[in-house]
Amino acid sequence: QKEVEQDPGPLSVPEGAIVSLNCTYSNSAFQYFMWYRQYSRKGPELLMYTYSSGNKEDGRFTAQVDKSSKYISLFIRDSQPSDSATYLCAKDGQRKKNYGGSQGNLIFGKGTKLSVKP
Amino acid sequence: NAGVTQTPKFRILKIGQSMTLQCTQDMNHNYMYWYRQDPGMGLKLIYYSVGAGITDKGEVPNGYNVSRSTTEDFPLRLELAAPSQTSVYFCASSPPGVAKNIQYFGAGTRLSVL
Repeated sequence: QKEVEQDPGPLSVPEGAIVSLNCTYSNSAFQYFMWYRQYSRKGPELLMYTYSSGNKEDGRFTAQVDKSSKYISLFIRDSQPSDSATYLCAKDGQRKKNYGGSQGNLIFGKGTKLSVKP
Repeated sequence: NAGVTQTPKFRILKIGQSMTLQCTQDMNHNYMYWYRQDPGMGLKLIYYSVGAGITDKGEVPNGYNVSRSTTEDFPLRLELAAPSQTSVYFCASSPPGVAKNIQYFGAGTRLSVL
């Protein structure tokens, strides 16, 4: 089982719809969860960042972590055509102690391509 | 606000050629990373660095080398390019401490090996 699983889609929704993007993970040892947004031919940009479980809201975006089911979700309310992008979930990965601490290694899902139609 | 800058944006190599992908950041971040992204796949870590003079292998290091002589720069070297190295390469950086998981990415280098 891959450490982070994400349905690649593609997902197509009409403008104004509520979008739900999901990932599952297998290793419970680490607690930082991220969502990155990647527009076509661009680098990923951090969208949301949560620690441990619970919800975090930022405008139209809500990130949710359910540690009991090992589920990571991103909800987009009132979706806009400008939200059309690939969304990558990520979690912190295995740490090495060589340098007295962790190296911030992230494990990424494969990304879900979202298209919001006007 | 430059952030993470990668050059070149595009490159075509012949099999067996070598090249260096450049990455520089102006945020004074300790941590720097190189990833590759293949179509339909997530980002795979090639190498990372926790500071000047300190580098280590990631998940897919074979065929690549790195160096970190300054805080700002983290070049990725491809020796004897192979078609399997055709990919989009991203450099990223992050600050130390609890924010190390917040990685800032460059715009990428698209490499084709023919």
